[in-house]
Amino acid sequence: GQQLNQSPQSMFIQEGEDVSMNCTSSSIFNTWLWYKQDPGEGPVLLIALYKAGELTSNGRLTAQFGITRKDSFLNISASIPSDVGIYFCAGSGGSNYKLTFGKGTLLTVNP
Amino acid sequence: GAVVSQHPSRVICKSGTSVKIECRSLDFQATTMFWYRQFPKQSLMLMATSNEGSKATYEQGVEKDKFLINHASLTLSTLTVTSAHPEDSSFYICSARNTGSYEQYFGPGTRLTVT
Repeated sequence: GQQLNQSPQSMFIQEGEDVSMNCTSSSIFNTWLWYKQDPGEGPVLLIALYKAGELTSNGRLTAQFGITRKDSFLNISASIPSDVGIYFCAGSGGSNYKLTFGKGTLLTVNP
Repeated sequence: GAVVSQHPSRVICKSGTSVKIECRSLDFQATTMFWYRQFPKQSLMLMATSNEGSKATYEQGVEKDKFLINHASLTLSTLTVTSAHPEDSSFYICSARNTGSYEQYFGPGTRLTVT
């Protein structure tokens, strides 16, 4: 089945630094989604990508859909303490609309 | 927009009893809803896909007789954990997909503890 490799597993950064995380897939996806999950809550959709090569921003967040359709990255600029959480990438490619999730990147921001 | 609610947020039940969890899309119609299970410090594991008006599709290894899913309307899906055991204790999260979109919007999750 489809597998997503998400890296890094965790990051410890200082407030104000930029962050980058990425996902690669063994197969092609038609859609890439990035989510953030806070402890004890459901994931919240941050950015959705639909076209190969697409670069989309949402405030301090920027994500890109790789040209090969097998990868995506998420950048966070000028991090703040509330950016702390687990970030998941997810890909979808089939008519069943199911998502395949990465294992997540735990982000810690030191004030 | 795209708000999904889940009820209850926490439930403690005794071994052998059944628990029902509700998932509602509040401001859109969801042709498809999904049920996930998440263990501590792990990613989301898809349990089943729920389509309005038809039987749910379960992932390999998920017992359909234990995890009963009903999707009676375009805004409501329910998951019933039957004859719960302590190993069923977990964080259950639903998501809803708006018609024509790949985007899934998640509920806040339900923490189930079976004693």
